[in-house]
Amino acid sequence: AQSVTQLGSHVSVSEGALVLLRCNYSSSVPPYLFWYVQYPNQGLQLLLKYTSAATLVKGINGFEAEFKKSETSFHLTKPSAHMSDAAEYFCAVLTGYSSASKIIFGSGTRLSIRP
Amino acid sequence: GAVVSQHPSWVICKSGTSVKIECRSLDFQATTMFWYRQFPKQSLMLMATSNEGSKATYEQGVEKDKFLINHASLTLSTLTVTSAHPEDSSFYICSAPRGTGTNEQFFGPGTRLTVL
Repeated sequence: AQSVTQLGSHVSVSEGALVLLRCNYSSSVPPYLFWYVQYPNQGLQLLLKYTSAATLVKGINGFEAEFKKSETSFHLTKPSAHMSDAAEYFCAVLTGYSSASKIIFGSGTRLSIRP
Repeated sequence: GAVVSQHPSWVICKSGTSVKIECRSLDFQATTMFWYRQFPKQSLMLMATSNEGSKATYEQGVEKDKFLINHASLTLSTLTVTSAHPEDSSFYICSAPRGTGTNEQFFGPGTRLTVL
């Protein structure tokens, strides 16, 4: 069964510093992986997705993630943090390839930005 | 991009009453929709898969008689929390996949349910 594990429930960085949020996956088949962001009391917004094309995926708001099969990882990065990046981030994996496939979420990482 | 709406965005009800939450895909049809619940500071937990024209598929541990799901049309799924209790208070989020291929799911803005 597919699953994702997010390392670190809370990450705090200074404004302008590198953001690194870690995600490792487990999948018996080539995975489709996602990163979502959630602002307080709001739904989810897709940051980026990996669907077996390029291993380095660029998303919105300056975020990117690299799929590394050898490490079973899909870490999210941003070169320079902005105050508006403070939010909850979820890594997720799709359990199959059909429209009925479920998305399984990691436990989430709360990103705080220090002035 | 595709939009999924939910109504209401928040609801407060008394214990013992039933609450219906709607999930609509606004510019695409969805034969499948998904319902999640999220407790404060926790992740999203899949409750059930809503299937247009057939019964919903519930995840293990989710009471189907408690959380009634009806997928009335290709653009509407409803979740009814029956005989709500304070422990049902949560953030309920729906999602709908559009098309095939990447199977990207679009999430609704969520419904905050508070049961007094």
